[in-house]
Parts: sequence; structure tokens; C-alpha cells
Amino acid sequence: QKEVEQDPGPLSVPEGAIVSLNCTYSNSAFQYFMWYRQYSRKGPELLMYTYSSGNKEDGRFTAQVDKSSKYISLFIRDSQPSDSATYLCAMRGGGGNKLTFGTGTQLKVEL
Amino acid sequence: DTGVSQDPRHKITKRGQNVTFRCDPISEHNRLYWYRQTLGQGPEFLTYFQNEAQLEKSRLLSDRFSAERPKGSFSTLEIQRTEQGDSAMYLCASSLTQGNDGYTFGSGTRLTVV
Repeated sequence: QKEVEQDPGPLSVPEGAIVSLNCTYSNSAFQYFMWYRQYSRKGPELLMYTYSSGNKEDGRFTAQVDKSSKYISLFIRDSQPSDSATYLCAMRGGGGNKLTFGTGTQLKVEL
Repeated sequence: DTGVSQDPRHKITKRGQNVTFRCDPISEHNRLYWYRQTLGQGPEFLTYFQNEAQLEKSRLLSDRFSAERPKGSFSTLEIQRTEQGDSAMYLCASSLTQGNDGYTFGSGTRLTVV
């Protein structure tokens, strides 16, 4: 079993929809949680960064972390075709340096 | 600040050849990381440097792989005697020491071994 599980999709939604992306993890030492967006043949781009449990909002994006359930989510409001990409969750422990990634969820927002 | 730069963007090589990739991190970042990403998978950690010291290596980094960061600035990743299984995107990232944020990734070097 992988340390971080993420549904690979693909996920197809109409423009303007609310998108929910999720990851589960097994390592209770993870304390820092990130969401990256990756366009085809490009490097990952950091979208959201959260520490421990709680919510964080930035524009149309909201990240949620529930450490008790080992579950993190990214919500995208008013989704746009330009949001079409692969979304990767990533996490690391408090003293760790390496990020452990999920497999990524491929999202397509259609007109 | 132009972000993290990687060179080349693409590399096609014959099996058995050696290849070397370069990464230039964000100038004030003293930590530098190498990751490998295959199709349909998330990036996997290979190794990281703090300044010029290589502090951690993954089991994925076989003896054919070597990474250096000689002056604590740019880094190189060399793969000797390439195999078809080495075909992947090689990503470099940088960060501040124990920075409370995510890492900044470059656009990667896509390696194809034929």
C-alpha cells in the first residue's frame, strides 16, 4: 500500500462547477500538506500549503486537512477551462525534507 | 529571480550512454532536490542537498546515478550506462532551509532512452 493514495481520474466537469480533489495517507508523521498543479510536460506548480489540520483559502481554492482521518482535500470554485491539469497532493513530516506525492488526479474542465 | 532552471529540456539517448542534467535553483535557496516522475505517477524523491552537502539519497538512486552540487549553487545529475527504465522526467526543486512552504520546481528534463 502506498503512503499517499489519490484517485487518478480522469475527472471531467463543466465550467463553473465546484471541484473536489482528495488524498488519503497512512503516515501519521506527515505535518505539512501541499497541492501542486501540473500542466502537461511542465513541472509541478505550488497551489496551496497548509500545516497540520484546518482550512486555508486562496481565491477560488480551498485546502482542508483532517489529520484525525488522514484525509486532505482541495476545492476549486467556479472552475475554468484553464484549471484543466493534473493536481498532485504532497506531504512531508515535521523533520523530514522529502515530499511524498500522490499519483495525481487529471482534471478536465469543459466549456 | 527566474525560478528554477533545468537544462536540457529534452534528451534522447541510446541505451548504455551516459547523460548529465543541470539544475540552477533560485539563488537564495540553499536546499536543492532531485525527483523522478514517470507517466501517470507523482514525482519520487531521489536526493537532496543543503548547500554543497548531499544529505539524503533514496534507494531509487542506484550506483549508476550520481549527483553533485560543487559550490552550493547549481547541481548536476549524471546517469551512467542508461537503461530503458531510466526514461522519465527528472525534476529539480529548491527551497530555503526548513522553509515553511512548498518547494519550487523547475520544468524538468525529459529523458528518453532508446
